[in-house]
Amino acid sequence: DAGVTQSPTHLIKTRGQHVTLRCSPISGHKSVSWYQQVLGQGPQFIFQYYEKEERGRGNFPDRFSARQFPNYSSELNVNALLLGDSALYLCASSLARQTYEQYFGPGTRLTVT
Amino acid sequence: GESVGLHLPTLSVQEGDNSIINCAYSNSASDYFIWYKQESGKGPQFIIDIRSNMDKRQGQRVTVLLNKTVKHLSLQIAATQPGDSAVYFCAEIPSNFGNEKLTFGTGTRLTIIP
Repeated sequence: DAGVTQSPTHLIKTRGQHVTLRCSPISGHKSVSWYQQVLGQGPQFIFQYYEKEERGRGNFPDRFSARQFPNYSSELNVNALLLGDSALYLCASSLARQTYEQYFGPGTRLTVT
Repeated sequence: GESVGLHLPTLSVQEGDNSIINCAYSNSASDYFIWYKQESGKGPQFIIDIRSNMDKRQGQRVTVLLNKTVKHLSLQIAATQPGDSAVYFCAEIPSNFGNEKLTFGTGTRLTIIP
C-alpha cells in the first residue's frame, strides 16, 4: 500500500516568489494536515483539512494557504517567500478528524534564496 | 502557553543496551501523547502513544511512561539496534483540539554505537 506521497521532493525558490506543494493522503484517509519543520526543530502545525474544509490553523501568516480536493489530496501555497520559509514541509493524513494517529509523508524540502 | 520540551538534545547508547528518552510538557490539559521517530530524509514515524488516563504502555521493545504529577513523559527502548538511530520527538494533543494539532518538542538525536 502506498503511504502519504508529497511532491516535489526538493524545491529552490527566490525570495518573493510563490510556491505550491502537493500531498496525496493514504487511500481512504479524509483528513490532511500540514506541518513546517525548520532544521533542528520539531514540526510546527500549519493547517488541517477535513472533507475539503479547513478545520484547524496554526500560528502562520496569511501568506500560507491550503486547500483540499474532492479526492482528498491537498495543496499548500506560500506567497511572497521569505528566507525564513526554508524548511521541510510535511503532510500527514489520518482516517478521520477525531483519529489521533497521523501518518506522515517524506516531506518537501524548500530552500528560499 | 503550550510547549513540549526535551531534556537532552543528543543521546548515545551502546548497541544492545536500553535507552531512555525524556520529555517534559507544560499543558496539563493535554489528553494524548505520541512518540515519533524520524530518520534522516524521512517524515516522522509513529512509534507508540498513550492517553492521559494511563501511566504506562508497552509496545514491541518500546515502553512509554507518563507521570502527570511532574508532567513528564519518557520513551524506553529495549535492546537497542543500529536501526534505532534517529531523532525522537514527543508530541501532545490538547484535549480541546481533537486531532487538528500535534505540538512537537525539539527532538532528541539517539545514536546507537555498534
